[in-house]
Amino acid sequence: SQQGEEDPQALSIQEGENATMNCSYKTSINNLQWYRQNSGRGLVHLILIRSNEREKHSGRLRVTLDTSKKSSSLLITASRAADTASYFCATVIYNQGGKLIFGQGTELSVKP
Amino acid sequence: DTAVSQTPKYLVTQMGNDKSIKCEQNLGHDTMYWYKQDSKKFLKIMFSYNNKELIINETVPNRFSPKSPDKAHLNLHINSLELGDSAVYFCASSQPYGHNTGELFFGEGSRLTVL
Repeated sequence: SQQGEEDPQALSIQEGENATMNCSYKTSINNLQWYRQNSGRGLVHLILIRSNEREKHSGRLRVTLDTSKKSSSLLITASRAADTASYFCATVIYNQGGKLIFGQGTELSVKP
Repeated sequence: DTAVSQTPKYLVTQMGNDKSIKCEQNLGHDTMYWYKQDSKKFLKIMFSYNNKELIINETVPNRFSPKSPDKAHLNLHINSLELGDSAVYFCASSQPYGHNTGELFFGEGSRLTVL
């Protein structure tokens, strides 16, 4: 099974609403990252949170990390139709030489 | 000016053929990667090179051979293509590498279809 599992697999909301995506992982990590992938495009890095951090903000994004529960969440506030994409969490696993392992992703659809 | 560029964007080929995908990054990064994304969008790391040295080699069939002529280039050659090789292949680069691996910069992907 995968290091990162995301929940929900798909999320559909209206413009202006908040979107929350969750990521759980199994082993100790050095950092956790979130990426966005628009349809037919490459992945784009959104935010990185280190294992000793609990919360981070970047614009309309808020990421939390709970290492005791081995979970993270990505909150997008005041969503826009342009936020429609797949969102992936990725973890750099402790003691595995920097390998970045991706979760299965959440497909977010924001309806205008 | 594209940071990570890979070519070609699309490949359609018959089973048994050999194909190559090229990747170049102009970010000055030491580390480059190949990832495979399947039809369910699952991304799996295949290889990683740090300064032309192979550092990650996941359980990938021997038919896949990466080559890094210099730290700005990482190519992927696939021999004897099989139906299951159909996927989108992404090249990426990062700096730094190691337990503090930071942001990965991805190319736009190369969609391989094996008929």
